[in-house]
Amino acid sequence: QQQVKQSPQSLIVQKGGISIINCAYENTAFDYFPWYQQFPGKGPALLIAIRPDVSEKKEGRFTISFNKSAKQFSLHIMDSQPGDSATYFCAASYNNNDMRFGAGTRLTVKP
Amino acid sequence: SAVISQKPSRDICQRGTSLTIQCQVDSQVTMMFWYRQQPGQSLTLIATANQGSEATYESGFVIDKFPISRPNLTFSTLTVSNMSPEDSSIYLCSVGPGGYEQYFGPGTRLTVT
Repeated sequence: QQQVKQSPQSLIVQKGGISIINCAYENTAFDYFPWYQQFPGKGPALLIAIRPDVSEKKEGRFTISFNKSAKQFSLHIMDSQPGDSATYFCAASYNNNDMRFGAGTRLTVKP
Repeated sequence: SAVISQKPSRDICQRGTSLTIQCQVDSQVTMMFWYRQQPGQSLTLIATANQGSEATYESGFVIDKFPISRPNLTFSTLTVSNMSPEDSSIYLCSVGPGGYEQYFGPGTRLTVT
């Protein structure tokens, strides 16, 4: 089921730095690309999402960059904070269904 | 968004037994999904449960092992049958309120001994 490849597996960033997580997909039918944030013992929470008709979406400190031709998208977390330490999953879906998740990135923001 | 609750939050079960997990949503939703997340791993879709139709299972998951009910637009159950230690996982339900978004419940942490 893994149709979305995510990297890196883990990431350590200093407080105030930029965290960048990358994902790539193969299925050109995907038309919705969300990012989820998951804290230990909790369910994944929808963070930000993008459709393929735009190249970038920004919400606060979180930005998705989308490259349709390369079939890649990435999450940038600006001014990373220790509270951002969590596991991040990219995902892709089509037909409002069948969401496929990346393997996850464990982000640690050091104070 | 939607507020989703799951029961039980965690359980320890003996092999060979079955556990039914409940998912309750605070609003009517057409689409509900069940996922499995093994410790430290990603999420794998088990099945899609739409009210009024049979659940649709992903490759590798069968109805006899994971029967699903969807009696109305706010509730669903997933049963893990004849459990083995390999079924130890977090089981998550999610809902699609009508757009592209999916919102997840807190999960049920199952340990099979």
